[in-house]
Amino acid sequence: EAGVVQSPRYKIIEKKQPVAFWCNPISGHNTLYWYLQNLGQGPELLIRYENEEAVDDSQLPKDRFSAERLKGVDSTLKIQPAELGDSAVYLCASSPGQGANTGELFFGEGSRLTVL
Amino acid sequence: AQTVTQSQPEMSVQEAETVTLSCTYDTSESDYYLFWYKQPPSRQMILVIRQEAYKQQNATENRFSVNFQKAAKSFSLKISDSQLGDAAMYFCALYSGAGSYQLTFGKGTKLSVIP
Repeated sequence: EAGVVQSPRYKIIEKKQPVAFWCNPISGHNTLYWYLQNLGQGPELLIRYENEEAVDDSQLPKDRFSAERLKGVDSTLKIQPAELGDSAVYLCASSPGQGANTGELFFGEGSRLTVL
Repeated sequence: AQTVTQSQPEMSVQEAETVTLSCTYDTSESDYYLFWYKQPPSRQMILVIRQEAYKQQNATENRFSVNFQKAAKSFSLKISDSQLGDAAMYFCALYSGAGSYQLTFGKGTKLSVIP
């Protein structure tokens, strides 16, 4: 069974440029998460989807960050424009639907962003 | 709001020895789960062990076991017979299923295993 797939693994951009990250969750997992992980820190939730609905985006900086999960499967996280402080690892995770959720998340390998 | 605190930024252990990583948490929920996740360098985070709050018995997975003290809101991880492959960041995490469906992580403990 394929795990959570993220791309790109690494991205280096100049500040003020846009960047996008893609995530394909485990087949059948209705819940999808985007986490931000700064160096030496634990992951922090940016947004959580139940199918195509963003049910928790309270920590997403909406002035420059956006996300979508149009068909309730794969998802894209975008930053525009990127700032130096956005350098971090962006983790995608998925889990079975809300009713069956015991909190165990399955993570992708992450997308490491460096903003110069 | 729920919080998770890991007070040991770094730990080291001799190969084949035992090490305990500490975690305390705070939540107002009565229904919750606690986890230890492992994140090897440049690799994906994986689940090590899970504890349901309503269970009194401490969870065990092979060489990994927890000491769950509900009243003290403490959840430590014990790794027995440490192996080189155990070297990683370990994150304690708290999940509340009653409405918030939020998984909150601690800041992590970096474990080094000395050959």
